[in-house]
Amino acid sequence: GENVEQHPSTLSVQEGDSAVIKCTYSDSASNYFPWYKQELGKRPQLIIDIRSNVGEKKDQRIAVTLNKTAKHFSLHITETQPEDSAVYFCAANTGTASKLTFGTGTRLQVTL
Amino acid sequence: DTEVTQTPKHLVMGMTNKKSLKCEQHMGHRAMYWYKQKAKKPPELMFVYSYEKLSINESVPSRFSPECPNSSLLNLHLHALQPEDSALYLCASSQVGIDQPQHFGDGTRLSIL
Repeated sequence: GENVEQHPSTLSVQEGDSAVIKCTYSDSASNYFPWYKQELGKRPQLIIDIRSNVGEKKDQRIAVTLNKTAKHFSLHITETQPEDSAVYFCAANTGTASKLTFGTGTRLQVTL
Repeated sequence: DTEVTQTPKHLVMGMTNKKSLKCEQHMGHRAMYWYKQKAKKPPELMFVYSYEKLSINESVPSRFSPECPNSSLLNLHLHALQPEDSALYLCASSQVGIDQPQHFGDGTRLSIL
């Protein structure tokens, strides 16, 4: 089955700096890669996703890049703000079913 | 606002009780999911319903029994749970398809005494 690895497990940045979270996946048939933000005690919230037919996608301060050959994808957050502090999960689908496998999560802390 | 609504928000039950978790969505989605999330861990898929039929069961113990009575509702019936079943239970929905965004509800925090 699919295996998704996520690094780093914790990330501390100063407000205004950029943050990068990286994930690798194992199933070459995976073609959909969402990112979720989960604040303490709240639901996972979809913040951006990318499909395998594109290499990069941006939404304001958030971008995701995908390298299918290397089987890795990354989340980039620019101009970080305190409200970006949360746990971020990457995920990948399987190639044959409506099933997401999540990475282990990255706790991002944005300090003033 | 959360478009996937889960009730109750919190549930405490004994190991001999029977209870049900409920999930409702009005986004016209025909795929619905149950996930289990332990503290500081990612969500783990339990069940997937597609067009109101069970399509994926991730080898979940029979003490968890899902039900999808119509395209908007998803239930999870609980019976004889164990303390290790204490967790946040998340419902999600999406359009049918392997590459469709899944939208989560706020979850039910379940504690087994």
